[in-house]
Amino acid sequence: EAQVTQNPRYLITVTGKKLTVTCSQNMNHEYMSWYRQDPGLGLRQIYYSMNVEVTDKGDVPEGYKVSRKEKRNFPLILESPSPNQTSLYFCASSWDSLYNSPLHFGNGTRLTVT
Amino acid sequence: GEDVEQSLFLSVREGDSSVINCTYTDSSSTYLYWYKQEPGAGLQLLTYIFSNMDMKQDQRLTVLLNKKDKHLSLRIADTQTGDSAIYFCAESYTGGGNNLTFGTGTQLKVEL
Repeated sequence: EAQVTQNPRYLITVTGKKLTVTCSQNMNHEYMSWYRQDPGLGLRQIYYSMNVEVTDKGDVPEGYKVSRKEKRNFPLILESPSPNQTSLYFCASSWDSLYNSPLHFGNGTRLTVT
Repeated sequence: GEDVEQSLFLSVREGDSSVINCTYTDSSSTYLYWYKQEPGAGLQLLTYIFSNMDMKQDQRLTVLLNKKDKHLSLRIADTQTGDSAIYFCAESYTGGGNNLTFGTGTQLKVEL
């Protein structure tokens, strides 16, 4: 089944404890992206990747890191999480970065930082 | 920067039509999208429209684009309880490829 898989689905952690949210897609997509969803703000892009070893900042990259060593994986790293990073995170991928290449979303990771 | 706005809530009765509205600011938007988010799930692409089109129809869905007013709407005919979800409009901005700017989302509640 074609899908974008994020893990974990739920995560509760404490301020300053490094964490990684994994994202994997099995569709051989070139483009991958991370979003965070907050009430009243919609989805905001954190980082994106056009292809392997190519990553760029989105609208809200502060406090996050990503890597794209393989085509299928695009982990999101929080080196020192803070409470304002409590949010619902989505990974998405698409065939390429052309306008009408539809984005496929994972089911989300709900992160709480205390 | 780009800004996409939607009303937060809409309530309709089953069988009625729903109209979800969206306004955007980037006049160079190339594609505009509607995504649906069901509880506990990610976003699913419903439909999209190219900026040189005024209307697109796909079964129960009708998308209207007023480029002059930068207004996008999604009409759902014969709304069903299964249509209850959050609906996001999104635009692709100049040079952004698949980097979309999303609206705040409209929570659609369908009542019996």
